[in-house]
Amino acid sequence: NAGVTQTPKFRILKIGQSMTLQCTQDMNHNYMYWYRQDPGMGLKLIYYSVGAGITDKGEVPNGYNVSRSTTEDFPLRLELAAPSQTSVYFCASSDSRPGSYQPQHFGDGTRLSIL
Amino acid sequence: TQLLEQSPQFLSIQEGENLTVYCNSSSVFSSLQWYRQEPGEGPVLLVTVVTGGEVKKLKRLTFQFGDARKDSSLHITAAQTGDTGLYLCAGVPNSGYALNFGKGTSLLVTP
Repeated sequence: NAGVTQTPKFRILKIGQSMTLQCTQDMNHNYMYWYRQDPGMGLKLIYYSVGAGITDKGEVPNGYNVSRSTTEDFPLRLELAAPSQTSVYFCASSDSRPGSYQPQHFGDGTRLSIL
Repeated sequence: TQLLEQSPQFLSIQEGENLTVYCNSSSVFSSLQWYRQEPGEGPVLLVTVVTGGEVKKLKRLTFQFGDARKDSSLHITAAQTGDTGLYLCAGVPNSGYALNFGKGTSLLVTP
């Protein structure tokens, strides 16, 4: 039972480099989310998707891009890495929109450092 | 964004003690969820509360949603070392798709 799988688990980038954080889920969930978690700051929503082909900005989208070509995959792209993007990134999925009893299922995170 | 304030930020207690953590907001939420996060892992849902005044029990954990649906509390009875972790509350707004997370309460239970 894989659930939500994120790769890589750890990564160090140089300023200005680009990379894609991968997220895949095997629960056939329509809703998927990307959060970042900074120490002592809780989780902040970067982007979300309500289904294949549909994405929208969350609270902190600047410097990131997403795509949702399939139900299973929701990659997060950093085009020009900046030190402010050093964080732990979590991908999550859910069967329905917030407001129901359904949980958001989280992956184990990608720890990203920009030096 | 509707802000959720959690208190205390850090809590260190001994096994067997009781504790309460709080989640407060000036805004009304349609429901509220509590998650627990262990080091190196993503958050895992503990409970969802929907009705104002609702109380839910999960073994030694008791969750309460305020009458006005602006605040919530989590009470742990006879804490165990396995309760150690980061406890996050997340408010569900009346519209939209984003959960609003608090900053969390980091709990350490020592033997």
